[in-house]
Amino acid sequence: KAGVTQTPRYLIKTRGQQVTLSCSPISGHRSVSWYQQTPGQGLQFLFEYFSETQRNKGNFPGRFSGRQFSNSRSEMNVSTLELGDSALYLCASSLLSPNEKLFFGSGTQLSVL
Amino acid sequence: SQQGEEDPQALSIQEGENATMNCSYKTSINNLQWYRQNSGRGLVHLILIRSNEREKHSGRLRVTLDTSKKSSSLLITASRAADTASYFCATASMDSNYQLIWGAGTKLIIKP
Repeated sequence: KAGVTQTPRYLIKTRGQQVTLSCSPISGHRSVSWYQQTPGQGLQFLFEYFSETQRNKGNFPGRFSGRQFSNSRSEMNVSTLELGDSALYLCASSLLSPNEKLFFGSGTQLSVL
Repeated sequence: SQQGEEDPQALSIQEGENATMNCSYKTSINNLQWYRQNSGRGLVHLILIRSNEREKHSGRLRVTLDTSKKSSSLLITASRAADTASYFCATASMDSNYQLIWGAGTKLIIKP
């Protein structure tokens, strides 16, 4: 089985722009979670989707949004980028619940200049 | 918010020695998990221990869970250079659905 695929691997944007990150979960996995990881803050939960529905959301501003498609693929969008949005964005999939074993993608390293 | 706290923040040992990392958490949990992250990459699941379990083994890994102290430890025996990574604990709280709560991680360096 193919693992979790995140694209792109690296991204450089400037302040004020918007960005869309993509995540393809492991085949058959219906739960997709997104995390932001920065050196000082560790892993911060963004949101979790299951069957195209957002089941939980972390404490991030409305500039951060996501969605899930019927094939379980997920995208997250960040609008009006700020310097502080520079981070590694990680996607993780699981069969049904993100409280069980998570399978992570390699992440998208976003740099905002 | 981070529930787990890991100790130590960083650990440097010689190859062949054992490495022990600790994780403390605050609320009642369904399970606790350990993950490894090599530099700048995604995390890899190592082991999951449920709240009614006290100890679990997987290869050179041994995890213990003490729910009365709200703490867990990860022991890596006979460490290898390839074990150099950051190790994170994550808890599935009984109160928090659809979200693991993560510790800040322990950075482990194995010196050859």
